[in-house]
Amino acid sequence: GAGVSQSPSNKVTEKGKDVELRCDPISGHTALYWYRQRLGQGLEFLIYFQGNSAPDKSGLPSDRFSAERTGESVSTLTIQRTQQEDSAVYLCASSLGRREAQYFGPGTRLTVL
Amino acid sequence: EDQVTQSPEALRLQEGESSSLNCSYTVSGLRGLFWYRQDPGKGPEFLFTLYSAGEEKEKERLKATLTKKESFLHITAPKPEDSATYLCAAHGSGNTGKLIFGQGTTLQVKP
Repeated sequence: GAGVSQSPSNKVTEKGKDVELRCDPISGHTALYWYRQRLGQGLEFLIYFQGNSAPDKSGLPSDRFSAERTGESVSTLTIQRTQQEDSAVYLCASSLGRREAQYFGPGTRLTVL
Repeated sequence: EDQVTQSPEALRLQEGESSSLNCSYTVSGLRGLFWYRQDPGKGPEFLFTLYSAGEEKEKERLKATLTKKESFLHITAPKPEDSATYLCAAHGSGNTGKLIFGQGTTLQVKP
């Protein structure tokens, strides 16, 4: 079946602009996650959605970062007033439940000039 | 603080030369230990989940094991196509689904 998809695959933006990254999870997966991977580093948790529960936003690095999820489908990660340190690969994952294996999308490579 | 540490950072093997990758974790009440494979420019690919000490899982040339403090990924007779970065992750403490990832071990298998 279809895996997790993300768009765009690459995004180049200028410092100070806002960007929106999209994630389509695997159908039927109630949990959705966003992670950030800086060059040569491990994955860093950003935010977690589980059904209709309040999201776990504990990993968002600043109030410039926000995310939304419509029901158990698409999620959008928004970064406002982008900075050069926001340059990274943003990975989305989904799972059947919060203790189940997470399946990752291909990521969006964000470059802030 | 929950922490996951992997070693070595990089490993070079000759084809057929077996070895092990280490993942040490400090997590209160482990609720799952995960191994992923990541190829350059791609998202991590799920390999295994381990839940309790003594548990083992196998897939082709890979076997993952778990103790109360560590997990090992054993690679038997590796092939060049096994070259990738291997990531270890653990569920954090508390009622959350977030994973705490190690920095990864980059494996290169030469023919």
